Amino acid sequence: DVKVTQSSRYLVKRTGEKVFLECVQDMDHENMFWYRQDPGLGLRLIYFSYDVKMKEKGDIPEGYSVSREKKERFSLILESASTNQTSMYLCASRLIDRAYTGELFFGEGSRLTVL
Amino acid sequence: EDKVVQSPLSLVVHEGDTVTLNCSYEVTNFRSLLWYKQEKKAPTFLFMLTSSGIEKKSGRLSSILDKKELFSILNITATQTGDSAIYLCAVPTGANSKLTFGKGITLSVRP
Repeated sequence: DVKVTQSSRYLVKRTGEKVFLECVQDMDHENMFWYRQDPGLGLRLIYFSYDVKMKEKGDIPEGYSVSREKKERFSLILESASTNQTSMYLCASRLIDRAYTGELFFGEGSRLTVL
Repeated sequence: EDKVVQSPLSLVVHEGDTVTLNCSYEVTNFRSLLWYKQEKKAPTFLFMLTSSGIEKKSGRLSSILDKKELFSILNITATQTGDSAIYLCAVPTGANSKLTFGKGITLSVRP
């Protein structure tokens, strides 16, 4: 079974702190994603990595950066956390097929609260 | 701009009812449409649809795609309380096929 592991399930941080959210997948997937999920807004894509060291901005990249130095690990960084970044963060991975139609496999989520 | 719109946004039914959840899309270079179910934690995959008119079925859940009218429906028959969840629809968009999600449909099934 594919496993996508997010290192922190619950975090509480203060405004201005630097926050690292880590995600590791064990199935050699090329693509990895970071979404945030807020009530009434659904899943919104923050950043997408289509291969090692390759990244693409999603719909809401402001205030976030990412790092993908190894294929299995995709990190989301909040350089200076703000209260409007309080949210559920979901990491996902995907094995690409020729038509790029493959399903995403999700981690359990990291619930971040910024005070 | 690529769009995925789900309706209704929330729904309350009683056990045994049949429900139909809608997902419409406007994307360039359509390849597939995916349905996910999300209970308390991570979304879990239900169906992927690529061809019009071919129903995918899994137990009481079924889904079909209409590429001419640009929508998909997810049907759940004989609903149970365990069907209570958020149902998400997503479509690959852009050159690298990032997945764009709709806002989700919150289904509540009352005993």
